[in-house]
Amino acid sequence: SQQGEEDPQALSIQEGENATMNCSYKTSINNLQWYRQNSGRGLVHLILIRSNEREKHSGRLRVTLDTSKKSSSLLITASRAADTASYFCATDGYGGSQGNLIFGKGTKLSVKP
Amino acid sequence: EPEVTQTPSHQVTQMGQEVILRCVPISNHLYFYWYRQILGQKVEFLVSFYNNEISEKSEIFDDQFSVERPDGSNFTLKIRSTKLEDSAMYFCASGQRNYGYTFGSGTRLTVV
Repeated sequence: SQQGEEDPQALSIQEGENATMNCSYKTSINNLQWYRQNSGRGLVHLILIRSNEREKHSGRLRVTLDTSKKSSSLLITASRAADTASYFCATDGYGGSQGNLIFGKGTKLSVKP
Repeated sequence: EPEVTQTPSHQVTQMGQEVILRCVPISNHLYFYWYRQILGQKVEFLVSFYNNEISEKSEIFDDQFSVERPDGSNFTLKIRSTKLEDSAMYFCASGQRNYGYTFGSGTRLTVV
């Protein structure tokens, strides 16, 4: 089954606007993580939210988790051109082993100056 | 900020050859992982490694693949007899559940 599916697949906004990306998953999770990837580069861990948490903030990032709907959202406020990247959610499944993250296909965010 | 270091950044190899991808995880981490990302596709889990042995491996991680921690710092992924479909970005990561994982910048493997 597919896990960690993000939408939209692509998002284009102006600098200063907020960007919201969504992620849905199918099975029970231990935690859900968001990563960022600049074109052709590595994955950068942004934020982790545990299954018993509903909201988490880190700087301009806000993540919510709704385990009843099996969904999460990542909000980037006051976006900057440097936020242009692909954003992935990854689920750490309940009962699974460490590190066996299941990634979505990602949302490609483009922030125009 | 501690980093996971991967070498080489890009490797081109002939089909059928063996390749070794190298990683230096963060020094006080105990769990290590390999993932791969075929161009345009999802990042996929390959294997997790703890206490000098494989903890879990995916269906992708067949007999063609092996991992090793040859010394106290390096963590390697060996691919024997490479195939065209092994062309991908390979990411090493270290870290622990509920704290997030640190990924390296990846090795782009091109099999020709």
